[in-house]
Amino acid sequence: NAGVTQTPKFRVLKTGQSMTLLCAQDMNHEYMYWYRQDPGMGLRLIHYSVGEGTTAKGEVPDGYNVSRLKKQNFLLGLESAAPSQTSVYFCASSPLAGLAKNIQYFGAGTRLSVL
Amino acid sequence: AQSVTQLDSHVSVSEGTPVLLRCNYSSSYSPSLFWYVQHPNKGLQLLLKYTSAATLVKGINGFEAEFKKSETSFHLTKPSAHMSDAAEYFCVVSAPYNQGGKLIFGQGTELSVKP
Repeated sequence: NAGVTQTPKFRVLKTGQSMTLLCAQDMNHEYMYWYRQDPGMGLRLIHYSVGEGTTAKGEVPDGYNVSRLKKQNFLLGLESAAPSQTSVYFCASSPLAGLAKNIQYFGAGTRLSVL
Repeated sequence: AQSVTQLDSHVSVSEGTPVLLRCNYSSSYSPSLFWYVQHPNKGLQLLLKYTSAATLVKGINGFEAEFKKSETSFHLTKPSAHMSDAAEYFCVVSAPYNQGGKLIFGQGTELSVKP
């Protein structure tokens, strides 16, 4: 049981390039989230999804797009990367019901640098 | 609206001495509160959660937290620090689950443990 897997683990982009971060969970969770972590700011929510085919904006959505075509996958896209998007990105998932309801399970993170 | 404030950005203790990490929250309804831990270059792991069942919550690795509504606090404690406790700790409040269960993170407290 791998839990939440993020790929890639590291990436360096040039300004203006595009890329997609992949998050995959094997726990059959309904809810999925993308966060970014910057020094001294905790984690901030970018986008989230409450089910397959649905997405919603979080606290800092500008410059990012997401898709959830399959329940187990949540993709985060950067169409035109900017240096301000240099950060560590975390994906998380959460079940809709049960004892673990409201607990989010995190991936190991993707460290992105935009030059 | 909900928010959390972690009162110390950095706490340093000696091994074997007590740990206190302070957190105040603001919530317009009965909150779900969490403490997460992040070891260097790792993802986040749940330490404990409060969801109104009991005001004193026990978590993993000997940590516990007490919910005090009158003080709007949810401080994290441990009787005796271990070197392996050195990490960053996040106090977190959750939006209602029927609104997507979004997490709002504090800024984090870095815990250092001296031999």
